[in-house]
Amino acid sequence: GAGVSQSPSNKVTEKGKDVELRCDPISGHTALYWYRQSLGQGLEFLIYFQGNSAPDKSGLPSDRFSAERTGGSVSTLTIQRTQQEDSAVYLCASSLLAVQETQYFGPGTRLLVL
Amino acid sequence: EDKVVQSPLSLVVHEGDTVTLNCSYEVTNFRSLLWYKQEKKAPTFLFMLTSSGIEKKSGRLSSILDKKELFSILNITATQTGDSAIYLCAVERRGSTLGRLYFGRGTQLTVWP
Repeated sequence: GAGVSQSPSNKVTEKGKDVELRCDPISGHTALYWYRQSLGQGLEFLIYFQGNSAPDKSGLPSDRFSAERTGGSVSTLTIQRTQQEDSAVYLCASSLLAVQETQYFGPGTRLLVL
Repeated sequence: EDKVVQSPLSLVVHEGDTVTLNCSYEVTNFRSLLWYKQEKKAPTFLFMLTSSGIEKKSGRLSSILDKKELFSILNITATQTGDSAIYLCAVERRGSTLGRLYFGRGTQLTVWP
């Protein structure tokens, strides 16, 4: 595709439910990043993929958060047993390589946990 | 702890004004500093700075990095209403995950007609 796409655009869920957020990076981009942006805060790194492997998961805030990437393309971020503090905009970015390459961001998924 | 601090947090100006946005950083093993513009949700890339004292320009926007004093500024001249956005500063570190960015909280710029 022309750019990074994410789905859904918005998600409202009840506390305790699981959610899946999807990211489609730009075709051919090997590096993929997930960030979280809480209200009034900067972007917070969650996880990095190079191809299908995740060499850096250090930003995941708890074991309720997990992510995978398949075929070196689509990535899914899963949040289990959602809590109200998980409410945020979840942004995905991709780059052709990870070294000194511009990251292109998707439009994000706005998650609201009631 | 690594820090990226932006100031001001918000700024309101009138069309035609010139604005300067600030970003200071305290990170180990600095590699580069990046500026993004965020309208609605998706940040869009503006500049990447790696060397001190070399100004980067794109139209009415320009930016410069001072690696000795550990800060960068983003200038916007002759502001337009379309410049209204959140401007994000981010730093990349050597030795950490390649491409992992450490962001400041951003400056919310509002340009009134």
